[in-house]
Amino acid sequence: EVKLVESGGGLVQPGGSLRLSCATSGFTFTDYYMSWVRQPPGKALEWLGFIRNKANGYTTEYSASVKGRFTISRDNSQSILYLQMNTLRAEDSATYYCARDYGYPWYFDVWGAGTTVTVSS
Amino acid sequence: DIQMTQSPASLSASVGETVTITCGASENIYGALNWYQRKQGKSPQLLIYGATNLADGMSSRFSGSGSGRQYSLKISSLHPDDVATYYCQNVLSTPWTFGGGTKLEIK
Repeated sequence: EVKLVESGGGLVQPGGSLRLSCATSGFTFTDYYMSWVRQPPGKALEWLGFIRNKANGYTTEYSASVKGRFTISRDNSQSILYLQMNTLRAEDSATYYCARDYGYPWYFDVWGAGTTVTVSS
Repeated sequence: DIQMTQSPASLSASVGETVTITCGASENIYGALNWYQRKQGKSPQLLIYGATNLADGMSSRFSGSGSGRQYSLKISSLHPDDVATYYCQNVLSTPWTFGGGTKLEIK
């Protein structure tokens, strides 16, 4: 069974940092692009970025809203995806999901349950 | 960035009715359009990919259509279990933008 399990969310002060993890199982991790998506309370889904698969050199792309503050990485030996979040703002408060990119055609075929981040003093 | 605009933002319909949700892209996305269903308290779930292809395990009461800049999701014979928020997503080019969502309620 394919599973994605996020962790690492919590309460953090504005300007602080947090690292989210996404533990994966049930598939060959290195074959897939992996994305992070968030949803602030009462708002729409927002794609944050992805990290490509082995065949594409594990390179990354980000949305403009997080580029330079957030970093996506992966530990391929342990099949874990990470999201390092720095200089956090109140507007970063959201539920954060990791999602597996199926590949072409592009879509998210598996999602984690999400982890909640609250940025507040 | 490609902007995705969904309408309506919310709708209420009766069991057994047919409803349609529309999604407009700010430019031609050549059918690179997905629909997700997000039920309260659960993660989003893929519903339609490539504008018209039903995802595995999803009910055939859901169908997608459209091309160019305009796309739609039709839900036939509404069931109470269809209560959810529906999102379209552009996957032509990054950033992979989502629409604002359509919240469906049952009367």
